[in-house]
Amino acid sequence: NAGVMQNPRHLVRRRGQEARLRCSPMKGHSHVYWYRQLPEEGLKFMVYLQKENIIDESGMPKERFSAEFPKEGPSILRIQQVVRGDSAAYFCASSPQRTAAEAFFGQGTRLTVV
Amino acid sequence: DQQVKQNSPSLSVQEGRISILNCDYTNSMFDYFLWYKKYPAEGPTFLISISSIKDKNEDGRFTVFLNKSAKHLSLHIVPSQPGDSAVYFCAATDSWGKLQFGAGTQVVVTP
Repeated sequence: NAGVMQNPRHLVRRRGQEARLRCSPMKGHSHVYWYRQLPEEGLKFMVYLQKENIIDESGMPKERFSAEFPKEGPSILRIQQVVRGDSAAYFCASSPQRTAAEAFFGQGTRLTVV
Repeated sequence: DQQVKQNSPSLSVQEGRISILNCDYTNSMFDYFLWYKKYPAEGPTFLISISSIKDKNEDGRFTVFLNKSAKHLSLHIVPSQPGDSAVYFCAATDSWGKLQFGAGTQVVVTP
């Protein structure tokens, strides 16, 4: 049973480009969470999705950021028109039900905006 | 609005001794608390957790203590080993699955 898979592990984008981060949850997990870690800070919740539904996006910036978790395929975190302040590590976690207690994290995608 | 705080950014401890990591929270609605360990360039890995109905949970070398009246929890690692050198995050949730993390404590275990 593979763990939570995130790709790419490292992503470099120029200011103004789009960044797409992918997260494949563990087999049997239908709940996905995205977190962002800025340098020298803890992880900050961004969005919680179930298959085809956004449940809680209270941590998502209002502009340029969007997330989806389609019926088939990985969850995608999309950042349009990236700026330097978007540079961070983005972590995805998945769980079999709506509880943080059984959430497993992926290795993260480190986004660098140049 | 930092609802989970880890006020010690770093901790150095000798191998074999006890490591004590502290965490404070402000939201009285939190009912489940977790500790994660994180190595550089990796995702957080779950270490140990405690429900608000308990005041202690133990798993091998790791023990978590919860003081609800003080809104404080701590993680004890006994004995500390070199492989314990990592960043430790305290996290809390109010049952909706969303975790609130502290800023982390870097633990260095020296020989």
